[in-house]
Amino acid sequence: QKEVEQDPGPLSVPEGAIVSLNCTYSNSAFQYFMWYRQYSRKGPELLMYTYSSGNKEDGRFTAQVDKSSKYISLFIRDSQPSDSATYLCAIGRNTGNQFYFGTGTSLTVIP
Amino acid sequence: EAEVAQSPRYKITEKSQAVAFWCDPISGHATLYWYRQILGQGPELLVQFQDESVVDDSQLPKDRFSAERLKGVDSTLKIQPAELGDSAMYLCASSHRTGGNTEAFFGQGTRLTVV
Repeated sequence: QKEVEQDPGPLSVPEGAIVSLNCTYSNSAFQYFMWYRQYSRKGPELLMYTYSSGNKEDGRFTAQVDKSSKYISLFIRDSQPSDSATYLCAIGRNTGNQFYFGTGTSLTVIP
Repeated sequence: EAEVAQSPRYKITEKSQAVAFWCDPISGHATLYWYRQILGQGPELLVQFQDESVVDDSQLPKDRFSAERLKGVDSTLKIQPAELGDSAMYLCASSHRTGGNTEAFFGQGTRLTVV
């Protein structure tokens, strides 16, 4: 069983829509959670970082962690064509500083 | 703005040849990672350094891959001999381990094609 599961999509939405991206993980020892955006042929770009449960908001992006369900989400409000990319979740334990990636969800925002 | 530097951006090599990638992490970042990303998949860890020491290389194919970070700053990942299945994006990332601050920042990667 993989450490983290992510629906690969693809996901296609109209401009202005609210996008919900999700990951599930298997081990309750994971303490910190990241979301990356990756454009084609580029390296991943860190979008959001959260530690333990709760919500974190940054502009149009909100990261949500539900440790009881081992479920993390990224919400994008007022989606723009420039948001079209692959979104990767990553999770890690507090010790060892190692983290694991999901397979990524491909998002297309249609003008 | 500080960033992780990687070179080359693209590399085409014939199978059985040697190839090397270079990474310069963000200044002051003690932890350095090398990841491999196959098209359509998430990155997978190859090796993790803390300063000049290897913390985790359990997923590194040691018969053909090697990595070093001699002075605890920049790092080199080498493949010898390269195989067709090594075609992938090789990503370097770094993080600053201070008080639990563990965000990792990635470079632009080296896209390797083995022919």
